[in-house]
Amino acid sequence: AQSVTQLGSHVSVSEGALVLLRCNYSSSVPPYLFWYVQYPNQGLQLLLKYTSAATLVKGINGFEAEFKKSETSFHLTKPSAHMSDAAEYFCAVSSTRSGNTPLVFGKGTRLSVIA
Amino acid sequence: EPEVTQTPSHQVTQMGQEVILRCVPISNHLYFYWYRQILGQKVEFLVSFYNNEISEKSEIFDDQFSVERPDGSNFTLKIRSTKLEDSAMYFCASSAPGPPAETQYFGPGTRLLVL
Repeated sequence: AQSVTQLGSHVSVSEGALVLLRCNYSSSVPPYLFWYVQYPNQGLQLLLKYTSAATLVKGINGFEAEFKKSETSFHLTKPSAHMSDAAEYFCAVSSTRSGNTPLVFGKGTRLSVIA
Repeated sequence: EPEVTQTPSHQVTQMGQEVILRCVPISNHLYFYWYRQILGQKVEFLVSFYNNEISEKSEIFDDQFSVERPDGSNFTLKIRSTKLEDSAMYFCASSAPGPPAETQYFGPGTRLLVL
């Protein structure tokens, strides 16, 4: 079985500060890992994904994440927060065993950006 | 850019009534999914669909739920007799032909309120 743990249900940063959202996963098979963002009253938008290529993955809006197998982590970072980054962020894992495996989501982290 | 669309965006229904949520996946995608998000909780997998049949379903997807691809473009989720606890945001997703079909693209969701 797969699972995702996101540490911190709410993270607050100042505009211009580093954003760090934590995600740890559990998977019995090599995982695919994803970060999705959900803006208020909107659907889920893919930020970035890890699919066993480069361990440092760059996504949209200046976000990146690093896959660390030894730590079973896939933390999301952005060097400088912008007000428009305020949203809910979800880490998700799926299996590489075949196509169309379900995504297992973490509980999400709400990011607030303070001016 | 192609996107997943869902209708309606909001639906209010009385307990015990049937509802049908509609989705138009991205046109060349072959895998389809339904997820739901109860207010304040994480996104949960309901069902996946491939080659005109259910490929995987969760414990949530009981006999009151059904899915169908009635034509070449639509993908529907039917709830036969709604309960109060069915109130949630329902997301449709699709992914491209694999393997691997790892990236799921989500629609904007249908917010269902059962009274």
